[in-house]
Amino acid sequence: DVKVTQSSRYLVKRTGEKVFLECVQDMDHENMFWYRQDPGLGLRLIYFSYDVKMKEKGDIPEGYSVSREKKERFSLILESASTNQTSMYLCASSLPYRGEEGYGYTFGSGTRLTVV
Amino acid sequence: EDQVTQSPEALRLQEGESSSLNCSYTVSGLRGLFWYRQDPGKGPEFLFTLYSAGEEKEKERLKATLTKKESFLHITAPKPEDSATYLCAVQVHGQNFVFGPGTRLSVLP
Repeated sequence: DVKVTQSSRYLVKRTGEKVFLECVQDMDHENMFWYRQDPGLGLRLIYFSYDVKMKEKGDIPEGYSVSREKKERFSLILESASTNQTSMYLCASSLPYRGEEGYGYTFGSGTRLTVV
Repeated sequence: EDQVTQSPEALRLQEGESSSLNCSYTVSGLRGLFWYRQDPGKGPEFLFTLYSAGEEKEKERLKATLTKKESFLHITAPKPEDSATYLCAVQVHGQNFVFGPGTRLSVLP
């Protein structure tokens, strides 16, 4: 069964810590995405990557960075965690857009991060 | 600015009571509209894609329809296992999407 795996389901970190969220997909997808999900706000795109070593800012990249050294792995980094980064973080992957119909995302189960 | 809204925010139905969820969008050029189902504590699961006004897709008790300004997810004779949050998303460019906030559906036995 193909899937996207996020390394942690729950994390509790202290303000100012550097936090790493890991995401691995086994579908050989080129595209990978990081979203955060907050009640009433929906999913908001943080960063995305269309290829290895490539990264693009999404709608809310401030306070975050990413790394994609291998095709199957996309890491989200909180440089200095703050309480307003407490959220559900979702990783997703998809096939690349080829100018015709789009593809649905395959999501991981999410990491619920609490920053205290 | 591309925007997606969903209504109602929450919906409680009795088992067997059919209803519809709404997704309204304002985008510069719709390439595709996607529906997802999200169970508590899990990531969203892809359901349907719609591309042009008048298009319909069905899966079990769910049917999605699309007009030029909105999409409906019709649920016929729902069961408790249909309880979930339903998200819609519009494809804005490439494989990037704008998601709506979701409708939380509860189906009571």
